[in-house]
Amino acid sequence: EPEVTQTPSHQVTQMGQEVILRCVPISNHLYFYWYRQILGQKVEFLVSFYNNEISEKSEIFDDQFSVERPDGSNFTLKIRSTKLEDSAMYFCASRLLEGEQYFGPGTRLTVT
Amino acid sequence: GEDVEQSLFLSVREGDSSVINCTYTDSSSTYLYWYKQEPGAGLQLLTYIFSNMDMKQDQRLTVLLNKKDKHLSLRIADTQTGDSAIYFCAESTASGTYKYIFGTGTRLKVLA
Repeated sequence: EPEVTQTPSHQVTQMGQEVILRCVPISNHLYFYWYRQILGQKVEFLVSFYNNEISEKSEIFDDQFSVERPDGSNFTLKIRSTKLEDSAMYFCASRLLEGEQYFGPGTRLTVT
Repeated sequence: GEDVEQSLFLSVREGDSSVINCTYTDSSSTYLYWYKQEPGAGLQLLTYIFSNMDMKQDQRLTVLLNKKDKHLSLRIADTQTGDSAIYFCAESTASGTYKYIFGTGTRLKVLA
């Protein structure tokens, strides 16, 4: 069964460094998402992406964040200059049309 | 606003039924979902209900939807210790991006 994959599973970085979180969505899916879950809190929407552009972003998704689909298979989330409060689990999701999103296993980002 | 509320904790004895409740605010939501999250793990889709349904049953799981009150519940019959986890409800917005709005999560503890 096709699944969404994410790498790495855990990323440790120093404050101020750039990080890129990678996702490979299900191959024929059209809509892509990033969500964030700070430890012990709920899952929050960051951004949605369709037709090679951002279709919606939350207020969390400020200028430090960017997304790309560089090669038709990967979907990346970049944080330009990480802050301590960026420490969280980041989930990628994709969907084909209306309905269920398929979530990846998540990348745990730890900013020290 | 886009708030999805859940009670924080629920404790039940093994073999009893668990009922986890959720209230949402977007009356135009098309799908409502229940996810299970074990410690340090990703999001496991348990079940979902389409907004024109009142009830859906899937083995030990029963979902009830009251659209008038914007209330969703998940009943787990014959609760087992392996059901101990955090349960999130999520609504899929009816806007073009169909992003998910997650609830605050309910931590279910099953006592042997």
